[in-house]
This record gives sequence, C-alpha cells and structure tokens, in this order.
Amino acid sequence: GAVVSQHPSWVICKSGTSVKIECRSLDFQATTMFWYRQFPKQSLMLMATSNEGSKATYEQGVEKDKFLINHASLTLSTLTVTSAHPEDSSFYICSANPGRGYNEQFFGPGTRLTVL
Amino acid sequence: AQSVTQLDSQVPVFEEAPVELRCNYSSSVSVYLFWYVQYPNQGLQLLLKYLSGSTLVKGINGFEAEFNKSQTSFHLRKPSVHISDTAEYFCAVTGGVGTSYGKLTFGQGTILTVHP
Repeated sequence: GAVVSQHPSWVICKSGTSVKIECRSLDFQATTMFWYRQFPKQSLMLMATSNEGSKATYEQGVEKDKFLINHASLTLSTLTVTSAHPEDSSFYICSANPGRGYNEQFFGPGTRLTVL
Repeated sequence: AQSVTQLDSQVPVFEEAPVELRCNYSSSVSVYLFWYVQYPNQGLQLLLKYLSGSTLVKGINGFEAEFNKSQTSFHLRKPSVHISDTAEYFCAVTGGVGTSYGKLTFGQGTILTVHP
C-alpha cells in the first residue's frame, strides 16, 4: 500500500515550452502533497506544499508563477513548469501524506526534466 | 526552525563490514526523524522512522538507528553491509503539530559505497 506514482518519469523539452508533471496517490487519498526539487549530487529542496482544494504554499525563493501547482483531487497533484529554461533542468519528486495523523510522507519515483 | 546535518558526505566501506552514517538535527519542537535511501534516478524509499517510544528503531534491509535526544542525533547503523547497499542516504526531520508539521527537512545526504 501507500504507492505514489509520477508521470512522466523523464521529459525533454525545448526552452520556452511548458511541462506538466503529474503526481498520483494510487491506493490512498492524500490531503497534502509536497513537491521537491533535487539538483545533481544535492539534497531535496521543498518547493511547495499543496492541499486539496486550496492554493499551494510555496517556499521562500520559489516562483509561484513559474511553478504552477494544482491539487485538484485527493489523489492528484500537478506541477507545471511554465516557460522552462535550461536552469529548470532538475529531478522533481513529489510526496503525499494521507493526513489523519500520519507523520510520514510517501514518495513518488521522480521525474527527470531536461530543458534544451 | 529545524535543520539536519549529515556529518559525512561520502562513506566508503568494504562488503560485510559495519557502517554508521551520522545525522544530527536541531529543532525547537519535538521531532519525528526518518532515514531514506535513494538509488540513482529513483525516488526515496523509507528505511526507518522514529516517532516516539523506544529510542532504538529497526528498519528494513537490516538497518537500525538510535535516537539520542541529549545529543540530538539519529545515527544509522548496519552491522554488515552488502554491495546492494550502495546508494545515497538521507536523514530527515519533521516537527509535530505546528507550522513545521508534515514538512520534511532533509540533510545533505551521505553516499555509501560498498566495495567488494
């Protein structure tokens, strides 16, 4: 149980285009989902926290107009990288928390974004 | 605010030798502590967690960790490592109810390399 999927697993796009990454909780409902970014050989940095039906809360320094997060249902959150540039190339990982007192996040497998 | 420091960026070890990966944290509230493992181009897998109770926590793949409140440490240990344990390991902390609830703060990661 507690499986989180991400789609796509990798994506290559041209500079200036937008890319959407999906995060789904497959066998539980996630009241909260988190989006992380990981640069090569670095740790995970939290980008934003999304709660179903409300606006995402972004961490300091993260451009909310560039990284659009939509948590439309209890099993799906999406991250859209708008007008992507090469510096947005990174590994994006989502996680989901079932709520109801859970103190653990369940992580997706990650999405490798390469912007040419 | 909370922070996590992993004291070793890289730990080389021979197969079947014991290993300890060190983690220290700081937090103004009671914490929950986690160790995750990440294989190349993959998401995070939970090894073990400390929420409350016994300070010695056993996890998957033969790993264990000890929560030491006085030293604010949560070191990860394994008595005999295998080649397959080669990966990057992350220590993470989240606070209890409050502004930091549910948000994980990660350490910088420790790359464990097991040599034959």
